[in-house]
Order: sequence, then C-alpha cells, then structure tokens
Amino acid sequence: EPEVTQTPSHQVTQMGQEVILRCVPISNHLYFYWYRQILGQKVEFLVSFYNNEISEKSEIFDDQFSVERPDGSNFTLKIRSTKLEDSAMYFCASRGTSGRTYNEQFFGPGTRLTVL
Amino acid sequence: AQKVTQAQTEISVVEKEDVTLDCVYETRDTTYYLFWYKQPPSGELVFLIRRNSFDEQNEISGRYSWNFQKSTSSFNFTITASQVVDSAVYFCALSVNNAGNMLTFGGGTRLMVKP
Repeated sequence: EPEVTQTPSHQVTQMGQEVILRCVPISNHLYFYWYRQILGQKVEFLVSFYNNEISEKSEIFDDQFSVERPDGSNFTLKIRSTKLEDSAMYFCASRGTSGRTYNEQFFGPGTRLTVL
Repeated sequence: AQKVTQAQTEISVVEKEDVTLDCVYETRDTTYYLFWYKQPPSGELVFLIRRNSFDEQNEISGRYSWNFQKSTSSFNFTITASQVVDSAVYFCALSVNNAGNMLTFGGGTRLMVKP
C-alpha cells in the first residue's frame, strides 16, 4: 500500500541553523501539507501546497518557513534560522483528488526536530 | 474559521469498559469532513474514520463506533470493551471543502486503559 515517507526521523540542530525536512508524498497525489505538533500539544496546520504554489498557510508559517517541490517527488519544508520554539514533530501529508479516499489526508510518520 | 473542541483532556478506564470520546466542532460551511485519528506512544497519526457532512449515518467498525449528530455539531467516538492497546491520544479533526482542505484538529484526548 502506498505511503508517505519522511526523512530524517529525528533531526537535532543548533539555534540559528537552517534545516530542511523532506517528505515523499504518495505518487498520484496533488495536494501536500505540513503540520506541526509541539510535544504534548495538538497538531497544527502550517501550509498547504497545490499546483506548485502555496494554497493556504497559517500564522505560524512566517518568513522563516518555506516549502518546495524541487523534483516532482520530494516535498520539503525549510526553516531558515531555527529557534528553540521550533522544536516539534513535523508531519507531512498528501491528499488525492478522486476515488474512495478523496479528501483523506495520508500522514507520514513525522520528523522530530530538536533545536538546542 | 473552523474550531474543534475535545473537552476531555484525559480519560482513564479499566480494560473491558466502554468509553466515549467527545468531539464538538464549529464551522459555517455546509460541506465539511470530520475525522478521527489515533496517536499511539510511537507518535504517528493513524487514520480511523472520515465522515462527510451529508452522511449522518452512524458507523461501526469492530469495537469502534461513531455517532455524528449535526444538530449538536458533535462527532463522538466510542470504544467498546476497551483494551490496553487502545491507550493513545485520540484527535478529532475537521476540514472544509475549499481550496486547501486543511485539517483543524482538536486538542486531543489521552485515553489510558489499565489492565
């Protein structure tokens, strides 16, 4: 069964460093998402991406964040200058546009980002 | 704007008890989707169910059942004869039928099932 994959599973970085979190969505999906979950809190929407552009973003998704689909398979989230409060689990999700699972977002296993 | 409220932050039951997790949502859209996800201690989000706003039929899947009531904007989840493996955080979520279909999550309910 197709699945969303994310790498790395755990990333440790120093404050102020840039990080890139990688996701490979399900191959025929067209909508892509990033969500964040600070430890012990709820899952929060960051950004949605369709047709090579951002379709929606939350207040959390400020100028420090960017997303890209560089090669038609990967979907990346970049944080330019990490802060301590960026420490969280980051989930990637993708969604198809037809069929039985229309409107169901398939989540990856997450990348735990620790900023020291 | 959408909002999902899970008033129960933590529930503790003894194995074999039935337990109901509450979810109340707010949206002005007439077309929307409701979801439940399970997050076990390993951290991944496991999809349990999707319901669209036009389908108020309750659903049963094994020990799991869901009660969708538009009149009270609720989408409650019941686990019958709970097991220790049901221990997890359960999230209710909502998406509306617009361009992004982003998910708005509730705060989650931590369910602890004791042997």
